[in-house]
Amino acid sequence: QKEVEQNSGPLSVPEGAIASLNCTYSDRVSQSFFWYRQYSGKSPELIMSIYSNGDKEDGRFTAQLNKASQYVSLLIRDSQPSDSATYLCAVKGNFNKFYFGSGTKLNVKP
Amino acid sequence: EPEVTQTPSHQVTQMGQEVILRCVPISNHLYFYWYRQILGQKVEFLVSFYNNEISEKSEIFDDQFSVERPDGSNFTLKIRSTKLEDSAMYFCASTSSRGANLYEQYFGPGTRLTVT
Repeated sequence: QKEVEQNSGPLSVPEGAIASLNCTYSDRVSQSFFWYRQYSGKSPELIMSIYSNGDKEDGRFTAQLNKASQYVSLLIRDSQPSDSATYLCAVKGNFNKFYFGSGTKLNVKP
Repeated sequence: EPEVTQTPSHQVTQMGQEVILRCVPISNHLYFYWYRQILGQKVEFLVSFYNNEISEKSEIFDDQFSVERPDGSNFTLKIRSTKLEDSAMYFCASTSSRGANLYEQYFGPGTRLTVT
């Protein structure tokens, strides 16, 4: 069974701080990794994808991938109360099948 | 901005009945997916669909489920003989599967299925 593990949280950070969200995955052959944001009662919203080891930046978001450690992270700089949501890590396995973590709930306090 | 749409937003059905959930993927996308999310639980992959056939399916996607692309725009999930445990939010997603944004999935707003 291929697993994607995330700390369920909640992770609480003050407004303006950096939020760091982590994810580990079990399938060593995975090549594609994604972060989604999900507000309560809403659908997942794509934040960014990452395919190569290292960092990928998009605005206030930075994704980090370490395939040797099977670890993906998301940094959110200058966190805003509107960033309060559940953040989902997703991994594409072999062929066209995707695995989601249970998500980390982030609370950004004003 | 193009988006995935789903209908209905909420479906209530009695146990044993058949339901069809409908999705219109983003028009130039090639891969289509259905996911399920039971309240408070993780998003679970059900099935992926490409070139008018299933490319992958999960253990959840048994004979009770089927998918179809009846025309050039709609993508449907049929659930036969619904059970109480089928109550969940069902999300449709699509990807372009081309270029730098390979396999980035865009989700529809979901259909909440309630089986009574």
